Amino acid sequence: AQSVAQPEDQVNVAEGNPLTVKCTYSVSGNPYLFWYVQYPNRGLQFLLKYITGDNLVKGSYGFEAEFNKSQTSFHLKKPSALVSDSALYFCAVRGYNNAGNMLTFGGGTRLMVKP
Amino acid sequence: EAGVAQSPRYKIIEKRQSVAFWCNPISGHATLYWYQQILGQGPKLLIQFQNNGVVDDSQLPKDRFSAERLKGVDSTLKIQPAKLEDSAVYLCASSSIQGTKNIQYFGAGTRLSVL
Repeated sequence: AQSVAQPEDQVNVAEGNPLTVKCTYSVSGNPYLFWYVQYPNRGLQFLLKYITGDNLVKGSYGFEAEFNKSQTSFHLKKPSALVSDSALYFCAVRGYNNAGNMLTFGGGTRLMVKP
Repeated sequence: EAGVAQSPRYKIIEKRQSVAFWCNPISGHATLYWYQQILGQGPKLLIQFQNNGVVDDSQLPKDRFSAERLKGVDSTLKIQPAKLEDSAVYLCASSSIQGTKNIQYFGAGTRLSVL
């Protein structure tokens, strides 16, 4: 069975500084990896995904993620954080059920960007 | 393009009562998912439909939870009778079987409080 670990419950960063939100995964076969963001009282919004190709994936709102196969990691990054980036971030890995498209989510990391 | 619609946004019930949630996916999306998100945790898949057929309900507590998608479009998730531990946000998501098929799009969710 697949699994995702987000080792930090919360990440604090000052506005303008780079940010990293960590994610490690476990899955059989080639991983399909995703990052979603959740703002208060909102559903999850898709940020980016890794399927194949370049290890550095670019997504929405200036976010990017680096896939590292040897370390089974998929860390989310942004060169310069904004206060508006403060939200809950979820990493997910695609597993396989009868339809081949189920997501297993990590526990989430709360990002706090301070002015 | 309209997003995934869910109603109601909030529901408060007493234990042993029944409750139903409704979801209308993005137009044309064949796959529909119901997730349970307990406070402080990542979403957990309850059931997945492709068109009007169930493809995965392995994590659905079938003694009290039921779901249907009779015409392959909108869906209803029901809990009867509710328990205190059912307090959570219930998220509906949908995805296409072609194009961006690996991306799930989420609704805003229904927050259930069981007293």
